[in-house]
Amino acid sequence: ENVLTQSPAIMSASLGEKVTMSCRASSSVNYMYWYQQKSDASPKLWIYYTSNLAPGVPARFSGSGSGNSYSLTISSMEGEDAATYYCQQFTSSPSITFGAGTKLELK
Amino acid sequence: EVQLQQSGPELVKPGASVKISCKASGYSFTGYYMHWVKQSHVKSLEWIGRINPYNGATSYNQNFKDKASLTVDKSSSTAYMELHSLTSEDSAVYYCAKGLRDYFDYWGQGTTLTVSS
Repeated sequence: ENVLTQSPAIMSASLGEKVTMSCRASSSVNYMYWYQQKSDASPKLWIYYTSNLAPGVPARFSGSGSGNSYSLTISSMEGEDAATYYCQQFTSSPSITFGAGTKLELK
Repeated sequence: EVQLQQSGPELVKPGASVKISCKASGYSFTGYYMHWVKQSHVKSLEWIGRINPYNGATSYNQNFKDKASLTVDKSSSTAYMELHSLTSEDSAVYYCAKGLRDYFDYWGQGTTLTVSS
């Protein structure tokens, strides 16, 4: 099983602050996917194929990485960005795993 | 508009089985895998398995192969997940999610399962 380790587990940011969170895979993957989940709601696709924003996702978000190391960045924190973000990988078999999530709070 | 409408919350006794439904609309049901995901406080998000609605072929996470059974009814564009021999560890929120290649582009609203005597 490809274990995804997200860090930090919890973080807080002020309005306008740059935010970066990490997702590390125990085995190399070709792509990483990210989901945003707010309280009492379903996860929403946020970033696909490592760096492509899902429809409706603000341009202040970006994704990057390769191999075992990936990241999600917010260039300037907004209040609506407070949520938990999960990374997800897919390998053939199929085998799909998620990270434990990074909870982003507004400071 | 793509929608995945799941059945309501369930309260079941240990040892029983439960069947959760997911009615799809707004897209070609047989053209995309339907996946199921478990969310619990203990293990966050876990992929349970997927089903190809076109031919009923399934793939399961090894951890759920004896726990879950996935089926579909093409006539009503509905996917089902049955969970067997329930214990308190099965208490969680369960989501269906439409697969798009390697990821999930739409999710159901979730079904809360509580296993308690």
